[in-house]
Amino acid sequence: QVQLVQSGAEVKKPGASVKLSCGASGYTFTSYYMHWVRQAPGQGLEWMGIINPSGGSTSYAQRFQGRVTMTRDTPTRTVYMELSSLGSEDTAVYYCARSSGHQVWELWDYWGQGTLVTVSS
Amino acid sequence: DIQMTQSPSSLSASVGDKVTITCRASQSITTYLNWYQQKPGKAPKVMIYGASNLQSGVPSRFSGSGSGTDFTLTISSLQPEDFATYYCQQSYTSPYSFGQGTKLEIK
Repeated sequence: QVQLVQSGAEVKKPGASVKLSCGASGYTFTSYYMHWVRQAPGQGLEWMGIINPSGGSTSYAQRFQGRVTMTRDTPTRTVYMELSSLGSEDTAVYYCARSSGHQVWELWDYWGQGTLVTVSS
Repeated sequence: DIQMTQSPSSLSASVGDKVTITCRASQSITTYLNWYQQKPGKAPKVMIYGASNLQSGVPSRFSGSGSGTDFTLTISSLQPEDFATYYCQQSYTSPYSFGQGTKLEIK
């Protein structure tokens, strides 16, 4: 069965960076794009970007450009999301979500369990 | 960027009720509209994609409609497990924006 397992909670100081992981199993890793989405406490969902695990190409939301880097490691079937220059506004649960691969529609059919990142001095 | 606006922000209803949630896009997204359900402490789950297509395994009491800029999610007969927050999302173009959410609560 498809599973996305994310790394554990992180506590970071302002200005630091955080690198989160999302390990995939149960499907052909390189055949499905992966998204990262975050959710601040009590708030809605915010798309951060997408990575193609096959070639490693990425596309980021404009507001994170220059601060976010998404990478993948094919042998370990893991995608990573690194966010730098953290501020308190980056405190959120971060999710990886798999694009379904539907030929027409873009939908995200499997999600990781989420990783809480807390930014505090 | 495309802005997505949901209404209402919260809704109280009883088991067995029919409820409708609306979502409006700031520009036409044809039918590139998804609906997600999220329960507290859990990841979102896709319910409807392409405005009206039921995701596999989702009960048929859920339905979606609309095109262009105006969309609705309807739950025909609320069940206890349906009380959650619902988000619309446009998948027409990047950045893939979400509505602010509609919290469906038990009356």
